[in-house]
Amino acid sequence: DTGVSQNPRHKITKRGQNVTFRCDPISEHNRLYWYRQTLGQGPEFLTYFQNEAQLEKSRLLSDRFSAERPKGSFSTLEIQRTEQGDSAMYLCASGGRREGASTQYFGPGTRLTVL
Amino acid sequence: AQSVTQLGSHVSVSEGALVLLRCNYSSSVPPYLFWYVQYPNQGLQLLLKYTTGATLVKGINGFEAEFKKSETSFHLTKPSAHMSDAAEYFCAVSVDNKLIFGAGTRLAVHP
Repeated sequence: DTGVSQNPRHKITKRGQNVTFRCDPISEHNRLYWYRQTLGQGPEFLTYFQNEAQLEKSRLLSDRFSAERPKGSFSTLEIQRTEQGDSAMYLCASGGRREGASTQYFGPGTRLTVL
Repeated sequence: AQSVTQLGSHVSVSEGALVLLRCNYSSSVPPYLFWYVQYPNQGLQLLLKYTTGATLVKGINGFEAEFKKSETSFHLTKPSAHMSDAAEYFCAVSVDNKLIFGAGTRLAVHP
């Protein structure tokens, strides 16, 4: 069990560019979550997958954001036409049946800076 | 709506002193509660969780928390602080398979 991994760890981009982040969950976990954390705040839920199905999206997830988990394993989060307000830490978490429905394990995050 | 309130955005203790980080929740159903720790520029590490059963929950690194339904609280404690405990701590409640977090408490430990 190598834990949840995220790539890249850091991303600096210019306003208006598109960015894509990747999350690899713990291998046997069927649930995968994306959260966003801004400075001085707790993480806020963005979206949630069970296997390949995206079951819930937050109102925080504007039309510029899209997430996929095509084969029920890794997931990608894409932000189109980035804005300075998108600057944040993007956290991925996963959970499995063995740990119970609510327990989530987090990756190290991807820190996005939009110039 | 479910929510989490962490009292005290900053807590400072001396090394060896008791650590007490406060968390109150609101939930319309029996809650599942969690404490996570975050070190600078890192993700969140699960410290402990309460789902059902014993209300005093022990976690990693000597931390424990007690679920008190009557007070809607889930405070985190550690008998003796260590310098390595300096970090940000987040309390969270599970709502429909997602976590709702408090704003966090930054713990400073001084010699």
